[in-house]
This record gives sequence, structure tokens and C-alpha cells, in this order.
Amino acid sequence: QVQLQESGPGLVKPSETLSLTCTVSGGSIDTYYWNWIRQSPGKGLEWIGYIFHSGSSNYNPSLKSRVTISVDTSKNQFSLKLTSVTPADTAVYYCAREGLRSGYFDIWGQGTVVTVSS
Amino acid sequence: EIVMTQSPVTLSVSPGERATLSCRASQSVSSNLAWYQQKPGQAPRLLIYGASTRATGVPARFSGSGSGTEFTLTISSLQSEDFALYYCQQYNSWWTFGQGTKVEIK
Repeated sequence: QVQLQESGPGLVKPSETLSLTCTVSGGSIDTYYWNWIRQSPGKGLEWIGYIFHSGSSNYNPSLKSRVTISVDTSKNQFSLKLTSVTPADTAVYYCAREGLRSGYFDIWGQGTVVTVSS
Repeated sequence: EIVMTQSPVTLSVSPGERATLSCRASQSVSSNLAWYQQKPGQAPRLLIYGASTRATGVPARFSGSGSGTEFTLTISSLQSEDFALYYCQQYNSWWTFGQGTKVEIK
């Protein structure tokens, strides 16, 4: 069955760039939409953005100026970059699969904790 | 942005009893609503989509209803593994989540 696994640094300094990768195993990255979602005590669950295997993407308007999501189909991976981070970006970051324009997230990674601190 | 409001914040229920969780949208989301269950240290798990369709492998004791702005998740007879956090999520306009309802043992 399809599984997702996030990877990346657990600690990022303020003003720097948060970079995470999600590896898709057990299935192809084609056909579905691939999302990043974060969860923090202060803001709860927050959708960050998605990418399609073609490279088409869409981002949460509140984060759009700082977010880039990219895909590497040869590695079955997609990645998140969030620039100019502050402590407010401290959260558990999840990658998740969305069916073709279904709108809901049927498979999630286990999540990775990212702390923004000097 | 569509704001999702869940109530109550905490629901205390005895095993075997029925639990009813509510989710309200700040504007109509039609039936574009999903419910998730989250246990400590785990990712959310999809339970319901399309307001009332159970996801694959979800027990029949979970049911969803509603449309427009008012939605309900019902757990007909709570099992020990059902004590968890539950979130609603709309996908009618962008994607937003409720703040969650914690179902705890009474």
C-alpha cells in the first residue's frame, strides 16, 4: 500500500528556509495531488499547498509569498520550502495524498516536528 | 476563508454509549466535508468524506450527516479505540479544518 515519509531538519533558525521532502513508496506519484499540511497548538491544522506530478501547484494565500512546493517524479518525491521562518512556523509538518480533485486527504505521512529557534 | 467551528471542545462519554460531534461552516460547503480521527503522536486518519461516505476500512459505527453549513459525526457505540481527537475539514473553497473535538472517557 502507498506510504508517505517526511524527512528534513528538525530545527531551523529564524529567518532561514525550512526544507522538507516527502517520499512516496508503494505507488507512483503520478495521478494524485500531493499536499503539505501543518499542525501547531496555536493554529491547529493548516493546509499549506499541493503539487501535481505535472508540476502544477497551488498554495494557501496566507503563506503563498513564502512557499514553494516541487516534485521529482524520478525519485517519487515532493518537497516543501518555506522561507523567512519565524517561531510561528514551529509545527508538525505532514505530507498527504489527495485523490484527483477529491478535496480530502486519504493517506498521510507520520509527520515531522520542525522547531524554529535560534 | 471558510471558518469551521466544532462543538463541543471536549465530549465525555462512557464506553458503549453514543457520541455526537458537531461541525459548523461559516458559509455553505455543500457536501464537501470530511472527518478525521487523530490519536496522540499519529497523523489524522480519514473517516468520512462527502459528508456521509465512510472511507475504506472505517467501521460502520461511524456515520456522518449534514450538508450546507451543519454537519454531524456520530459514533454509535464507543469502543476503547475511539477515544481520540476528531476534526472536520471542508474542501468546497480551498481547504480548512475545524479546531477539533476531543472524545474522552467518562
